[in-house]
Amino acid sequence: GDQVEQSPSALSLHEGTGSALRCNFTTTMRAVQWFRKNSRGSLINLFYLASGTKENGRLKSAFDSKERYSTLHIRDAQLEDSGTYFCAAEPNSAGNKLTFGIGTRVLVRP
Amino acid sequence: ETAVFQTPNYHVTQVGNEVSFNCKQTLGHDTMYWYKQDSKKLLKIMFSYNNKQLIVNETVPRRFSPQSSDKAHLNLRIKSVEPEDSAVYLCASSSGLGGSYEQYFGPGTRLTVL
Repeated sequence: GDQVEQSPSALSLHEGTGSALRCNFTTTMRAVQWFRKNSRGSLINLFYLASGTKENGRLKSAFDSKERYSTLHIRDAQLEDSGTYFCAAEPNSAGNKLTFGIGTRVLVRP
Repeated sequence: ETAVFQTPNYHVTQVGNEVSFNCKQTLGHDTMYWYKQDSKKLLKIMFSYNNKQLIVNETVPRRFSPQSSDKAHLNLRIKSVEPEDSAVYLCASSSGLGGSYEQYFGPGTRLTVL
């Protein structure tokens, strides 16, 4: 069954505001990655977490393996943050099988 | 430049033809993967290779076969394409296996089967 439930499916933000994306997992995950698909369709690595939180500029991610979720926070959103964001996680029981969420389409408006 | 490279970017073909997609990584990684992104935009793993050994072979049709000449290259051949093979195929690599290693993706190859 579906192991990675990503929400929301779409998000609209005004420039300068913030919001959060979330992935819930139906099983224990070893690690999580967050990606953004750029205008050329390439997956750009944002974060890799085995636990805890990481911050990079206006993005911050958290991963709680025990509670089975991960979040990606965007603050002070800029137009270039628009794109589709994916979380992907590796189940403890499944070796290197990275399981992807369905993606969140983020639109930042002026 | 160190990255994951894929060719071609796009390929249009007819049912029954054979196609081959190339993937090369210059990151010095030991493990490479092929994913399929279907019409619902969901990425699903197809294969992974570690030092030329097949590690994961999800339940993909037998007409799909990965081919690796060395740990930096992992090609994907589809022997006789079907309409449901239309998708974006993404190659990825990571530095290790058996634990948690960050995966890096190529730009993808979009296959359209007429």
